[in-house]
Amino acid sequence: NAGVTQTPKFQVLKTGQSMTLQCAQDMNHNSMYWYRQDPGMGLRLIYYSASEGTTDKGEVPNGYNVSRLNKREFSLRLESAAPSQTSVYFCASTAPNTGELFFGEGSRLTVL
Amino acid sequence: KNEVEQSPQNLTAQEGEFITINCSYSVGISALHWLQQHPGGGIVSLFMLSSGKKKHGRLIATINIQEKHSSLHITASHPRDSAVYICAVRPLLKLVFGQGTRLTINP
Repeated sequence: NAGVTQTPKFQVLKTGQSMTLQCAQDMNHNSMYWYRQDPGMGLRLIYYSASEGTTDKGEVPNGYNVSRLNKREFSLRLESAAPSQTSVYFCASTAPNTGELFFGEGSRLTVL
Repeated sequence: KNEVEQSPQNLTAQEGEFITINCSYSVGISALHWLQQHPGGGIVSLFMLSSGKKKHGRLIATINIQEKHSSLHITASHPRDSAVYICAVRPLLKLVFGQGTRLTINP
């Protein structure tokens, strides 16, 4: 049981490049989330998905797109990276009955 | 004003001391979470509370729904407890996070 797995763990991009952060959970959770963590800002919700095939914007969705093609995977895409998107990104899911949170290990992204 | 306020923002203590971290929130919630994040590390869920008190080892979490307040206590603190502790509340589907409390326990 791997929990929540994120890839890559580290990435350096140049301004304007695109990339996709992958997230997968093997716990059969419906709800999945993408957060970014910046110094002094706490965790902020980018997008979330309440179930397979549905996605909704969070607090800071601009510059990002997401895809929830199946129950297991929830990907975050940066179409044209900007230095303001330098951050640590966390994927998370919640257990449906208990509401317990499970986080991935984080992906540190630097945009030059 | 943030919907979730934690205090203190930073806390340094000696090994063995009793630690209290506070979380106040301004919205109605269905649950409150306490999370732990070690430096450079991932985030681990410590507790989820909707009422009362929970205990796990040396950690105790309490919540007062009427006062919109929760506390995380650490008894007999140890250097390995050094981490950022984050309070998060769930008004509806989405979580709202506090900014975290950085705890340092010196040997």
